[in-house]
Amino acid sequence: AQSVTQLDSHVSVSEGTPVLLRCNYSSSYSPSLFWYVQHPNKGLQLLLKYTSAATLVKGINGFEAEFKKSETSFHLTKPSAHMSDAAEYFCVVSDRGTYKYIFGTGTRLKVLA
Amino acid sequence: GAGVSQSPSNKVTEKGKDVELRCDPISGHTALYWYRQSLGQGLEFLIYFQGNSAPDKSGLPSDRFSAERTGGSVSTLTIQRTQQEDSAVYLCASSRAQGATGELFFGEGSRLTVL
Repeated sequence: AQSVTQLDSHVSVSEGTPVLLRCNYSSSYSPSLFWYVQHPNKGLQLLLKYTSAATLVKGINGFEAEFKKSETSFHLTKPSAHMSDAAEYFCVVSDRGTYKYIFGTGTRLKVLA
Repeated sequence: GAGVSQSPSNKVTEKGKDVELRCDPISGHTALYWYRQSLGQGLEFLIYFQGNSAPDKSGLPSDRFSAERTGGSVSTLTIQRTQQEDSAVYLCASSRAQGATGELFFGEGSRLTVL
């Protein structure tokens, strides 16, 4: 069965410092992995996705994530946080051949001036 | 429209009343999902439609919840005899992909408050 664990419910960083949002997954088969961002009172927007091509995936707004099969991780990083990055971030896993996406419980990112 | 449209954006209702939430997906997207987002929780899968196939209703929490999709496009989620625990944001998403490998496009949600 698939599952996803976001290790931190809240993360605070100072503007201009690196961002690390952690995600571990469990999947029986070859997973597809996604990160979505949700700004207040908005729908979710795709940041990036991994579907078995390069293990280092680059997304929008300077975010990237690395698929590490040995660690079953898909952590999201950004070299330098911006105030506009403050939002809720969701890690998502799905198994090939299925139609179900499994969402993590989210990490709320706060960016301090 | 350019994106997924949901209405109403906010709905306040009294316990025991029925509510209908509407989702208008992106044109040409055959897959449509409904999720429920409660405060501090992840997204809870409710129901999945794919083209003209029978929907997967396995995530509906009780028989008070139902959904339909007419003509493979617009979908309506109906909650009968609402309870306070139904208060949440209901999100609709659509995708052009057959399986769960593609991007989901989300609406802004319908926030339901049951008094």
